[in-house]
Amino acid sequence: DVKVTQSSRYLVKRTGEKVFLECVQDMDHENMFWYRQDPGLGLRLIYFSYDVKMKEKGDIPEGYSVSREKKERFSLILESASTNQTSMYLCASSFTHRDPKNIQYFGAGTRLSVL
Amino acid sequence: GDSVTQMEGPVTLSEEAFLTINCTYTATGYPSLFWYVQYPGEGLQLLLKATKADDKGSNKGFEATYRKETTSFHLEKGSVQVSDSAVYFCALPSFSGGYNKLIFGAGTRLAVHP
Repeated sequence: DVKVTQSSRYLVKRTGEKVFLECVQDMDHENMFWYRQDPGLGLRLIYFSYDVKMKEKGDIPEGYSVSREKKERFSLILESASTNQTSMYLCASSFTHRDPKNIQYFGAGTRLSVL
Repeated sequence: GDSVTQMEGPVTLSEEAFLTINCTYTATGYPSLFWYVQYPGEGLQLLLKATKADDKGSNKGFEATYRKETTSFHLEKGSVQVSDSAVYFCALPSFSGGYNKLIFGAGTRLAVHP
């Protein structure tokens, strides 16, 4: 079974802190994604990566950056956390971006609270 | 641009009731369509999919038929159980900027009571 592991289930941070959310997948997938999930808004794509050291902005990249130094690991970075970044963050991976039918596999999510 | 519209929740049902969650989409061509489910405290997982018009996807007693005439992919189950309580997302692959991404609906929360 594909496993996508997010390093923390819950995080509490202070405004202005630098925050790292880590995600690891074990299926040699090319693509990795970071979403945030907010009530009534569904999932919104923050960033995605289709290869090591490659990244593409999603729909809401402002205030976030990402890092993909190894194929299995994709990190989301909040350079200076703000209260409006309090949310559930979901990481996902998929085999390849070239097949539109390919399935995304999700981690359990990190619930981040910024105080 | 491509988009997905789901019926708003929450949907509250008694056990063994019939479930319908509506999903309509706007897209160029005839993309694949997906339903994902998120159980409490978990990430999303694929529930079912349909890859072409008139296909029916099914899994765990849930079904959805890809209807191009009405651009719809409604989720149905004949008899829900308490364990079906979850948030359900309709999703559509979208090709933009040279990459395939998924566009998700806002999600519909289902609560099933004994």
